[in-house]
This record gives sequence, structure tokens and C-alpha cells, in this order.
Amino acid sequence: DTGVSQNPRHKITKRGQNVTFRCDPISEHNRLYWYRQTLGQGPEFLTYFQNEAQLEKSRLLSDRFSAERPKGSFSTLEIQRTEQGDSAMYLCASSSISPNTGELFFGEGSRLTVL
Amino acid sequence: AQKITQTQPGMFVQEKEAVTLDCTYDTSDPSYGLFWYKQPSSGEMIFLIYQGSYDQQNATEGRYSLNFQKARKSANLVISASQLGDSAMYFCACSGSARQLTFGSGTQLTVLP
Repeated sequence: DTGVSQNPRHKITKRGQNVTFRCDPISEHNRLYWYRQTLGQGPEFLTYFQNEAQLEKSRLLSDRFSAERPKGSFSTLEIQRTEQGDSAMYLCASSSISPNTGELFFGEGSRLTVL
Repeated sequence: AQKITQTQPGMFVQEKEAVTLDCTYDTSDPSYGLFWYKQPSSGEMIFLIYQGSYDQQNATEGRYSLNFQKARKSANLVISASQLGDSAMYFCACSGSARQLTFGSGTQLTVLP
């Protein structure tokens, strides 16, 4: 068990470019979450998958954001036409049980800087 | 929907002393979970402790304990015998009928030698 893995860890891009982040959850976890964290703030929920089904999306997830989990294993988060306001840490988390009964395991995050 | 309030942006504690980090929550869900995470400067969110809303006893994990007062909707984290490595950002979070966690704005803890 290697924990939740995210890459790239850091991404610097120019405004208007597309970026994609990948998350590999803990292998037996069927629940996968994406959060966004800006400087000095707590993580904000973006979206949630159970297996390959995307069951919940925050209104923070604009049309420029898309997330997939094609085979119920790894997930990707793509941001199209990046804006400076997209600069943040993007955190992925996974779990095997409901958050009402236990923890989410987080990755180390992917930090995005949009110039 | 849940709301988490952490009113202490920053806290200082002397090494080896205990410290309490405050957290109040607001939820209309009858069943919920309360969490504390630690985030060092490296960025990873490290799980510390969990309390279920129906748990009768306060949760403890080593030097961490959660002071759960349901009527007051508070879930304070107590760290005993602080260590220099405890210096980090601490986040309180709540889960409920929504299938995800709602986080507070965090408290930056600095442990002084």
C-alpha cells in the first residue's frame, strides 16, 4: 500500500493553456475525491466518484473543469483554458467507507501556478 | 450542508505543554463525523482523529484527543506534550449526508522550543 499518489506535484502554466492532473488512489478504495485548496484556506470539495461513477460535483467545478475515473481506479482532473484564479493546490483523497464512519486518505497534492 | 468555524488563525505553545485548538460546527444532519487533519508545510493532509456523532466517549489517538461537546456543537482538538514537529496547519472537518468533508479555515500552530 503506497498511499494516494498524485502527479505532477507542481505545474506552472500560462493562462489559457490546458492542464491535467492524475490521482492514483489506494488500490482497494472505491471512493475518490478531488478538493481545491487556496493559500491560507481549508480544502474545498470539487467532486466525488464511487467506482467510475461521478456522483457529486460542486458548483466550484465550472465548465472548464472535467474529472474522470474511467475504470474505477485512477482519476484525472483537467482544467481547460486556465485562468490565474485557478492557481491552487489540487488534492485527491480516497476511502473505502463512508466519511461518516472513517477517514479520507489524502495525497500530497498537485500545486498549480497559472502565470 | 455543514459549516466549520475555526476562530484561531494562529496559536503558539511551548514545547511539552498541552494546547487546545477550537472548532465549532453547524449541521442539520442527524448523523455526522468530525475529523482533524494536520497539514505540514509539505502540503500533505495527515489524518489525526475521528469522532462519530453517536460516539459516547471522546476519541483519543496517542497525544491527540477530541473534546466533543454535542450540545455546544464543538469538537476541540487537544494536543498533549507538544513537540516541535507538531508545528503545522490544523484543519477541523465535518461529514454528513453529503458524501464528502467540509473543512474549516484552519489554525496555524507553532511550537516554541
